[in-house]
Amino acid sequence: GQSLEQPSEVTAVEGAIVQINCTYQTSGFYGLSWYQQHDGGAPTFLSYNALDGLEETGRFSSFLSRSDSYGYLLLQELQMKDSASYFCAVRPGGFKTIFGAGTRLFVKA
Amino acid sequence: DVKVTQSSRYLVKRTGEKVFLECVQDMDHENMFWYRQDPGLGLRLIYFSYDVKMKEKGDIPEGYSVSREKKERFSLILESASTNQTSMYLCASSPRGEGQPQHFGDGTRLSIL
Repeated sequence: GQSLEQPSEVTAVEGAIVQINCTYQTSGFYGLSWYQQHDGGAPTFLSYNALDGLEETGRFSSFLSRSDSYGYLLLQELQMKDSASYFCAVRPGGFKTIFGAGTRLFVKA
Repeated sequence: DVKVTQSSRYLVKRTGEKVFLECVQDMDHENMFWYRQDPGLGLRLIYFSYDVKMKEKGDIPEGYSVSREKKERFSLILESASTNQTSMYLCASSPRGEGQPQHFGDGTRLSIL
């Protein structure tokens, strides 16, 4: 089967750096995406990696290693508003996207 | 800004009813998707459509059907609602092309009694 694994919960303090990992096992691979979802809100797109390496967008960075079937989302200078669920997602082929179960990030003061 | 609008935020229906969930996007996107979201399971794809009148089954299509008669509208139909279909339903759209983000609606929380 196809699966994505990510931690269910992560807790960090304001101002710190946190890394959310994602490992995947899929029949094919076109790219790894990350989405953020606040409680009661819609998921919103954060980043996309198709090639190995680090992509930086402001305080958020995303990394991909295709050979390890692994990626992570790095959040720097954490703020209280970063408390949310974070989902990794893989496009194995065609138009379909598979999402992980999500990581709930708690940011403490 | 892309706007994906789902017809209802909350919906309560009875077992056995035929239920329609509507989704409209205003950015001329080719792809549209229906997911359900349950605690601990993330987003699971029910159906998707890559063009008008075209549809593909996702991972959990049983008990559902879809309709895409116009490019901007993608409907999810629960043929005979059951209690195990109580869930949050999310619609999304995206342009065609590699790495294009999906834009989600606010979701419909559906309760089947």
